[in-house]
Amino acid sequence: IVLTQSPTTLCLSPGERATLSCRASQSIGSYLAWYQQKGGQAPRLLIYSASNRAPGIPARFSGSGSGTDFTLTISSLEPEDFALYYCQQRTIWAPWTFGQGTKVEIK
Amino acid sequence: EVHLVESGGGLVQPGGSLKLSCAASGFTFSGSSIHWVRQASGKGLEWVGRIKDRANSYETTYAASMKGRFTISRDDSMNTAYLQMNSLETEDTAVYYCTRPTSFWIDDYWGQGTLVTVSS
Repeated sequence: IVLTQSPTTLCLSPGERATLSCRASQSIGSYLAWYQQKGGQAPRLLIYSASNRAPGIPARFSGSGSGTDFTLTISSLEPEDFALYYCQQRTIWAPWTFGQGTKVEIK
Repeated sequence: EVHLVESGGGLVQPGGSLKLSCAASGFTFSGSSIHWVRQASGKGLEWVGRIKDRANSYETTYAASMKGRFTISRDDSMNTAYLQMNSLETEDTAVYYCTRPTSFWIDDYWGQGTLVTVSS
């Protein structure tokens, strides 16, 4: 299952809303997660099952979608949110895969 | 506190083999699945594969590009998982992480990673 993320890079200012997309090559139900990664660190899980925040994740992060189209929204960017974001499909019938990533950078 | 510590990385020649270890503590290892993920320098995350627990017959699943060359195993008595990598190619150069999803995959834990360099 191939995941395609868009855009590749998102240039925004602190306080702005970020909308990241992830499209699956076939329907994956709600078996989708979102991760954040900052330089040299292991990724951190943000969202599981498409729309559920992982423990300790701020409410400004939200996920939506099902089937083949998914969205990660950051309602108001904080300075620490400028990072790389990956979607991951976690279906029970196929090997897991990651999208290629979206970089959110400061405008 | 959950800890995952990878080891065994290093420099290996193309065509060679390497076995990585993932030592776990702070949770019931025998009841957990363990995944491996890799990341080449400046590149994205790539899921390598997974081994389930004894209750799920230690079932393994691999990414298509690694199937046949990579083997994941575990020793529950040692709280350790392994990634055996054979026929290594320069494209396998990456930091390799082991990860452990929690129940219902609502969270997960990652090690610090171990660097594998495939070069002559």
